[in-house]
Amino acid sequence: ETGVTQTPRHLVMGMTNKKSLKCEQHLGHNAMYWYKQSAKKPLELMFVYNFKEQTENNSVPSRFSPECPNSSHLFLHLHTLQPEDSALYLCASSQWSGASGYTFGSGTRLTVV
Amino acid sequence: AQSVTQLDSQVPVFEEAPVELRCNYSSSVSVYLFWYVQYPNQGLQLLLKYLSGSTLVESINGFEAEFNKSQTSFHLRKPSVHISDTAEYFCAVSVITQGGSEKLVFGKGTKLTVNP
Repeated sequence: ETGVTQTPRHLVMGMTNKKSLKCEQHLGHNAMYWYKQSAKKPLELMFVYNFKEQTENNSVPSRFSPECPNSSHLFLHLHTLQPEDSALYLCASSQWSGASGYTFGSGTRLTVV
Repeated sequence: AQSVTQLDSQVPVFEEAPVELRCNYSSSVSVYLFWYVQYPNQGLQLLLKYLSGSTLVESINGFEAEFNKSQTSFHLRKPSVHISDTAEYFCAVSVITQGGSEKLVFGKGTKLTVNP
């Protein structure tokens, strides 16, 4: 257990479904991130939140909708996804200055059918 | 823009052999550099980092990396690997975004396979 908890660990959803991924940290960090990890591609930063405010949206399609109600929780709401969105979605947290490095969760393995 | 290049996508070695995983970065400013390790079906774990000071940094499990500013490299080494070191290794550089926040830019990863 790293201190960053992601649920669910695995998710299979149809293209018309709506689902949400959850990330929770109790490390006292004030920045949280969503990354997408696909086969044969580098890790792609999706969103950055600092002190609950979104500071980066890396041209992510609107079918991915993040939500950060407080510094400890981060959600990724999913709707009308495509099969190419199947990937491992990783959440991470850090202090405002990333010099301490990120702490990652174990990820949610998403399969869109 | 800062970027990270990991020159080898796969590195197979035999147990107890030395290994070097290569990483080069491009940046015009001072950088923080990191190595992360990802075991199967898990997230990424911080292995070691360079922020400032001594250019040689070590992890608790025998890995070390050396920051070389002139060659813009941060190669990861271990003198004798174990089967349990089989994993994917990611090099990363910390950059400041246009929004003023800090983010990590990762290389594509190197899969290290240690064979008996």
